[in-house]
Amino acid sequence: GIQVEQSPPDLILQEGANSTLRCNFSDSVNNLQWFHQNPWGQLINLFYIPSGTKQNGRLSATTVATERYSLLYISSSQTTDSGVYFCAVLPNTGNQFYFGTGTSLTVIP
Amino acid sequence: DTGVSQNPRHKITKRGQNVTFRCDPISEHNRLYWYRQTLGQGPEFLTYFQNEAQLEKSRLLSDRFSAERPKGSFSTLEIQRTEQGDSAMYLCASSRRTGYRRETQYFGPGTRLLVL
Repeated sequence: GIQVEQSPPDLILQEGANSTLRCNFSDSVNNLQWFHQNPWGQLINLFYIPSGTKQNGRLSATTVATERYSLLYISSSQTTDSGVYFCAVLPNTGNQFYFGTGTSLTVIP
Repeated sequence: DTGVSQNPRHKITKRGQNVTFRCDPISEHNRLYWYRQTLGQGPEFLTYFQNEAQLEKSRLLSDRFSAERPKGSFSTLEIQRTEQGDSAMYLCASSRRTGYRRETQYFGPGTRLLVL
């Protein structure tokens, strides 16, 4: 199956700092989503972004499908941003979504 | 829209027992997915339903696992003869396609299973 790798695996930030999370995938995809998993395990959908750029408040995401990567930008980070960030992709065939390895973010006050 | 719900939220069982989990998707969503997540890993796909039809199953889904979605509404995931390796968070997600392969998955809170 498709390989989905995220970097960095762990990130510690001071409140107010900015960060960039990366998702690389090994094959062409039709669908890409970014999720935030909070400390209680709930996965929250952040972006549906198979290509292009989107922004939602302090978060924005860019996917360059032809180069097989996506970036998630977090600006002015807050302690509530802590948790694990996953990207999930749907390859061009099949209905199975593949999740990345995740980036664990800790924002300290 | 009350979101995706899962029951129970936690389950502790002894090895060899059967367990069943339930997922209630968002009402207008016709697609439903089950995933398993172990500590430190991303969710792994188990199976997928479109309406009541189970259209895809992962090789991870051994014959001890069975899933159903009668009438295309709620879904159940049963694990027979549980093993300690089944201990994990079981996640359900639902979605509705709004275009070619265009869908956003919404996840439930998960059922955390511990097999002793």
